[in-house]
Amino acid sequence: EAQVTQNPRYLITVTGKKLTVTCSQNMNHEYMSWYRQDPGLGLRQIYYSMNVEVTDKGDVPEGYKVSRKEKRNFPLILESPSPNQTSLYFCASRSANYGYTFGSGTRLTVV
Amino acid sequence: GQNIDQPTEMTATEGAIVQINCTYQTSGFNGLFWYQQHAGEAPTFLSYNVLDGLEEKGRFSSFLSRSKGYSYLLLKELQMKDSASYLCAVRDAGNNRKLIWGLGTSLAVNP
Repeated sequence: EAQVTQNPRYLITVTGKKLTVTCSQNMNHEYMSWYRQDPGLGLRQIYYSMNVEVTDKGDVPEGYKVSRKEKRNFPLILESPSPNQTSLYFCASRSANYGYTFGSGTRLTVV
Repeated sequence: GQNIDQPTEMTATEGAIVQINCTYQTSGFNGLFWYQQHAGEAPTFLSYNVLDGLEEKGRFSSFLSRSKGYSYLLLKELQMKDSASYLCAVRDAGNNRKLIWGLGTSLAVNP
């Protein structure tokens, strides 16, 4: 089944404790992206990648890192999480001319 | 600047027809997408328009007028399960073909 798998689904952590949210797709898509979604603010792009070893900042990259060492994986790293990073996060992938397929989401709470 | 406008909320009755409008002002245009998102879940793809006109897919249809910067999503024979947020997104024509997202229209279907 074609899908984007992200883990974990739910995470509660403390301020400053490094964490990684994993994302993997099995559709051989070149383009992958991370979004956060907050009430009243909609989907905001954090980082995106157009192919292996090619990443770039989206609209809200501060406090986040990503890597794209393999085509299928695109992890999101929070080196020192803060409470303002409490949000619903989505990983998504697509091929060049089509829309995104989204992962199931990760609800992160930073206390 | 880049801007997408959709109504914030709409209500409709089960079995009825509802039209959700989207207007956009973007520096480039390379297609318009509609997504459905149930609360707490991932957005799922509904439709894609790149040329003017109506695209029909079962109970859902989507219309595009590029000259007017306007699209609508038409939902027929509404069901309770259609209660969700509907997101309009425009793909930019730039090199990264970024998606610009509207904030979504929350549709409540009442019995």
